[in-house]
Amino acid sequence: AQSVTQPDIHITVSEGASLELRCNYSYGATPYLFWYVQSPGQGLQLLLKYFSGDTLVQGIKGFEAEFKRSQSSFNLRKPSVHWSDAAEYFCAVGPIPGAGSYQLTFGKGTKLSVIP
Amino acid sequence: EPEVTQTPSHQVTQMGQEVILRCVPISNHLYFYWYRQILGQKVEFLVSFYNNEISEKSEIFDDQFSVERPDGSNFTLKIRSTKLEDSAMYFCASRKQELYNSPLHFGNGTRLTVT
Repeated sequence: AQSVTQPDIHITVSEGASLELRCNYSYGATPYLFWYVQSPGQGLQLLLKYFSGDTLVQGIKGFEAEFKRSQSSFNLRKPSVHWSDAAEYFCAVGPIPGAGSYQLTFGKGTKLSVIP
Repeated sequence: EPEVTQTPSHQVTQMGQEVILRCVPISNHLYFYWYRQILGQKVEFLVSFYNNEISEKSEIFDDQFSVERPDGSNFTLKIRSTKLEDSAMYFCASRKQELYNSPLHFGNGTRLTVT
């Protein structure tokens, strides 16, 4: 079964500082990986996704993520955090090609706080 | 940009009561989903729906739950007899195509509180 681990429950960074949110996955094949963001009172917004090809993917709002197969990781990064980035971030894996399943498996999320 | 809309944003109900959570998916999307997030826990898949029938459901989606697309725009989740443990944020999502690179678009969620 596929699973996603986000080791950090809560991270606090200063505005302007760099950010890295960790995500590790367990998956039996080439994964499809996603990062979603949830701002307070809002739904889940897709930041970026990886399916194949270049292992460094660019997303919206200046975010990027790097797929590292050897480490089973898909960490999210941003070089300079803005106060508006304060939100909860979810890593997800799926769906499963060929298995007839189209569900995503989410991690527990990492809450990001930004200090002015 | 088109959005998935969910109503109400917050629903409070008593244990044993029926609730219906409503969603309006993006108009040209064909695949619909419900996920839920119990406070402090993971976002969990409940059910997927296509062509007026359930295409996949999780273990969570037992006989207390049902989904329906009563007209051309709404997609509803009904919980027949709510339990305290049904308290969660419920997210509706839709997808245009059932291709693996077709992203899910989520609504803002309905927070269900069962007392």
